[in-house]
Amino acid sequence: DSGVTQTPKHLITATGQRVTLRCSPRSGDLSVYWYQQSLDQGLQFLIQYYNGEERAKGNILERFSAQQFPDLHSELNLSSLELGDSALYFCASSAPGRTGYNEQFFGPGTRLTVL
Amino acid sequence: ILNVEQSPQSLHVQEGDSTNFTCSFPSSNFYALHWYRWETAKSPEALFVMTLNGDEKKKGRISATLNTKEGYSYLYIKGSQPEDSATYLCAHNQAGTALIFGKGTTLSVSS
Repeated sequence: DSGVTQTPKHLITATGQRVTLRCSPRSGDLSVYWYQQSLDQGLQFLIQYYNGEERAKGNILERFSAQQFPDLHSELNLSSLELGDSALYFCASSAPGRTGYNEQFFGPGTRLTVL
Repeated sequence: ILNVEQSPQSLHVQEGDSTNFTCSFPSSNFYALHWYRWETAKSPEALFVMTLNGDEKKKGRISATLNTKEGYSYLYIKGSQPEDSATYLCAHNQAGTALIFGKGTTLSVSS
């Protein structure tokens, strides 16, 4: 158990819908990262937050957005869902300090299926 | 464009065999190189974070080396066991950027 929690574990929805994925980082970690794992793709970095502020952005679609709240939990919002958005979405957190030097602790992931 | 390449894509060995795989990454503006172990139905788990050229890290039967000048890292597993079966991910970042992951090497160890 990494200490990172994600809910829900599974999500099945229809095209055009909007969903929210939730992540709680390890106690004391200020950075939260979101990744997407699609079939035959490696882990794709979406976005990073550090202590409530957006720190880095990857290949995140405009239909997707995220935020980190004062209690440091984070939410990833996916809207106007398409079939291709079906994937495993991971959240990870890392300790304060030099981002990139610190190992990331991954949550169990949310499996999103868009029908 | 940052590109992390891992080889081989998959590997099957017998219990007791030693094995190694490669991670290649851009050598310019190197910051850190990460190795993660990802078992089926679980989440990736950090093995090593390496930052210095010539670094060598070890955890039990698993070790890794780093060459930042030529842009590669090797992961070695000595005396493979069935519980080593997993996908091994390599990730690289340059200063100020997020981790870029390779697609991984999937290891299968038969008893």
